[in-house]
Amino acid sequence: AQTVTQSQPEMSVQEAETVTLSCTYDTSESDYYLFWYKQPPSRQMILVIRQEAYKQQNATENRFSVNFQKAAKSFSLKISDSQLGDAAMYFCAYRSVGGATNKLIFGTGTLLAVQP
Amino acid sequence: DAGVTQSPTHLIKTRGQHVTLRCSPISGHKSVSWYQQVLGQGPQFIFQYYEKEERGRGNFPDRFSARQFPNYSSELNVNALLLGDSALYLCASSLAQGAGQPQHFGDGTRLSIL
Repeated sequence: AQTVTQSQPEMSVQEAETVTLSCTYDTSESDYYLFWYKQPPSRQMILVIRQEAYKQQNATENRFSVNFQKAAKSFSLKISDSQLGDAAMYFCAYRSVGGATNKLIFGTGTLLAVQP
Repeated sequence: DAGVTQSPTHLIKTRGQHVTLRCSPISGHKSVSWYQQVLGQGPQFIFQYYEKEERGRGNFPDRFSARQFPNYSSELNVNALLLGDSALYLCASSLAQGAGQPQHFGDGTRLSIL
């Protein structure tokens, strides 16, 4: 079975600085998707960025980028120029390609605080 | 367009009771998934429905059941509630079944069991 591990329960960053959130996963599959979701205190889970495993190029979305290391099964999220609105719980998630279901497997999350 | 809507927002029940949670997907989305998020943990997959058929079930007891209606809205039912069922229940919809399809989440229903 696939598992997702986020080893940083809490992180803090100064406004305008850069922070990196870590995620590792375990799978025997060769093709899959990885996601980072953001959950602000208002609760709604928002997709930040996604990465297809067969693509070697790291995904980027404005200030958000990932460092995908397939052999190491590592998928970290870098937030550049941090803003107060980035404060939230961040979840790393895994999804298999193929199969009957599109279920997401989530890590336990990292709570990011942004200091003004 | 409206996002994923869930009702009710909050719910308080006592042990042994039954509860029904509702979800309306984004217009045009045919897949609905349910997740349970216990405080301090990541969401855990409960069910997925696509085109009104169950496509996946997580490791939850038979007290949990769900269905999807012809308009693609969905209900999650939980019988014989236990204290451990207290959680935020999230609904997510996606346009289709493909693994790359992004899932859009609702605000969730906060269920408290007394």
